[in-house]
Amino acid sequence: GAVVSQHPSRVICKSGTSVKIECRSLDFQATTMFWYRQFPKKSLMLMATSNEGSKATYEQGVEKDKFLINHASLTLSTLTVTSAHPEDSSFYICSARDSQGIYEQYFGPGTRLTVT
Amino acid sequence: QQPVQSPQAVILREGEDAVINCSSSKALYSVHWYRQKHGEAPVFLMILLKGGEQKGHEKISASFNEKKQQSSLYLTASQLSYSGTYFCGTELNNDMRFGAGTRLTVKP
Repeated sequence: GAVVSQHPSRVICKSGTSVKIECRSLDFQATTMFWYRQFPKKSLMLMATSNEGSKATYEQGVEKDKFLINHASLTLSTLTVTSAHPEDSSFYICSARDSQGIYEQYFGPGTRLTVT
Repeated sequence: QQPVQSPQAVILREGEDAVINCSSSKALYSVHWYRQKHGEAPVFLMILLKGGEQKGHEKISASFNEKKQQSSLYLTASQLSYSGTYFCGTELNNDMRFGAGTRLTVKP
């Protein structure tokens, strides 16, 4: 089956620093990748849709300058949380859609970010 | 627009059945169902694309109504491994919106 990896799985950083999260599709090409944020016992909130070779589309209320997304290749998208604050602490999950597939999305294992 | 999912939570005994519903105010392009265990990423269960479609995966199946505004997930003869939070994801314009989730607990 399709596999999506995320790195790192956990990260603790200090307020004011930036953190980069990588999302890779390992055995398929993904024209589109999605970034979600999930709070404890809550649903997944779509942050942005990332298309290879073009600018990401951000959801309303998500700051583009704070959450930088780069989809440089058909297998890699990165999310950089800039100048992180404690309220940015959350579970970040990416998903990828197989370019050849039939629309299902495959999720990465998630990254737990803690900002101290 | 986030789909409306119900119920919020359900507790079952092993072997019992459950139905989880997902509805939208607009006709959808597709409905996806996922199960998430605590601390893990969601796992894809199935996708429905056509109005009136029904699809099954072992003892878990789903339907999509003719108007493509409602989907139901059916879990029959539940097993302990079915425990988790079930999310429906609905698609309109190349993005996925998730319902609030249904927490399913299966007890021995």
